[in-house]
Order: sequence, then structure tokens, then C-alpha cells
Amino acid sequence: ETGVTQTPRHLVMGMTNKKSLKCEQHLGHNAMYWYKQSAKKPLELMFVYNFKEQTENNSVPSRFSPECPNSSHLFLHLHTLQPEDSALYLCASSLSGRDGYTFGSGTRLTVV
Amino acid sequence: QKEVEQNSGPLSVPEGAIASLNCTYSDRGSQSFFWYRQYSGKSPELIMFIYSNGDKEDGRFTAQLNKASQYVSLLIRDSQPSDSATYLCAVNIPSQGSGAGSYQLTFGKGTKLSVIP
Repeated sequence: ETGVTQTPRHLVMGMTNKKSLKCEQHLGHNAMYWYKQSAKKPLELMFVYNFKEQTENNSVPSRFSPECPNSSHLFLHLHTLQPEDSALYLCASSLSGRDGYTFGSGTRLTVV
Repeated sequence: QKEVEQNSGPLSVPEGAIASLNCTYSDRGSQSFFWYRQYSGKSPELIMFIYSNGDKEDGRFTAQLNKASQYVSLLIRDSQPSDSATYLCAVNIPSQGSGAGSYQLTFGKGTKLSVIP
């Protein structure tokens, strides 16, 4: 374990379902991030939260909805996803931002 | 557009040899540079970071940075089969705002390394 915990590890959902991904960190970090990793593509930054305030939304479709109730918890709410949204979703956290991120184990999402 | 470029590989080296992984980046405002290792089906794991021009050594790993050429590399000495993984280069670029969230870590596609026993 890296100190960043993601649940669930695997998720299969239909296009009409609603589900949520959860991320939790107990490292005392101030910023949390959602990344998407698809096959043969670089890691794509989706959302950034700094002290639980969203500071970045990289043109992510509205079917992805983040929530950050406090500096230790981050959620990604999913609804009416498409098959092309199938990917590994990674949560990360950092203390200063400048020193790199610590990643969780990821959620492998399959949309059917 | 901020880009980080890596050869996708695969890069194959025999056990015991030196593996050399290369990365270029486009944003001259980049301040810190990272190498992550990612095993198949796992999340990225930070193995090296470097801020200043020159070399930084940690065990069998050496990171090299040349800001003038916008180039960063990772050398793995005495390569082992357990080093077989995808290596991701990442560059930290300041963005708007302040605090930890004011930096964005931009990744390359990664180079797949295979160490042949």
C-alpha cells in the first residue's frame, strides 16, 4: 500500500448505471488528483483539488463528476458512461505538488 | 501544448547491461522531473526525481537532466529481470493558482523495458 487507497479495484458497469469511485489518503497531503489511463495513451489528468477546492478540470465530460469533501477524500461519480470510458482510473495525492505524486492502486473500469 | 515525449519501445537489454531511457519535454517552464515505474496491471511508482541540471544517482539508477536541451534520461545499471516494466517520464509544470494544486504533472506515454535473462 502506498498510503493512497482506492476502491473498488475493479468495476463493471452498464451505460445506464451510476457508480462512484472512492479515494482516500492519510499522508497529510494537500492536493488530490484523478487521472485516466487508457491503453497506448499517456496518463491524462482529469481533475485537480487543492485544499479541497477544484483548481483544474481538463475538459472532462460532465458524465464524470468529482467530489472532494475534505483534503483526505476524493470521489469520482460516474453516470451514463460510454464503452470508450473503460480505462484504469488512478487517484494521486501530493504535499507540495513540486515533489511528485503518490498514486493509489487504481480502479479498473469496464463499461458494457 | 505541453508535451512529454518518450520512445514507446519495447527496449530489450540483456541481464547485467545498462538500460538507457530517454525523455524530452516541450515546456521550458518545467521545474521538476520524475521517473515512475509501472508494472503491468499496477499503478505508477516513483523511483527517481531531479530538479537541477546534471546527474543524480540512487543505487542502480541515475537520472540525468539537461534543461538547455530539454532532455531527461534514466540509466539503470546491472539491469535485472525484475526491472522489466514500463517507465514513465513526468514533468511538473506550474499552472494557475497557488499551493500544491498549482502544479500539473504531465506524463509521457512510457517506454516498455524488457530485461532478458
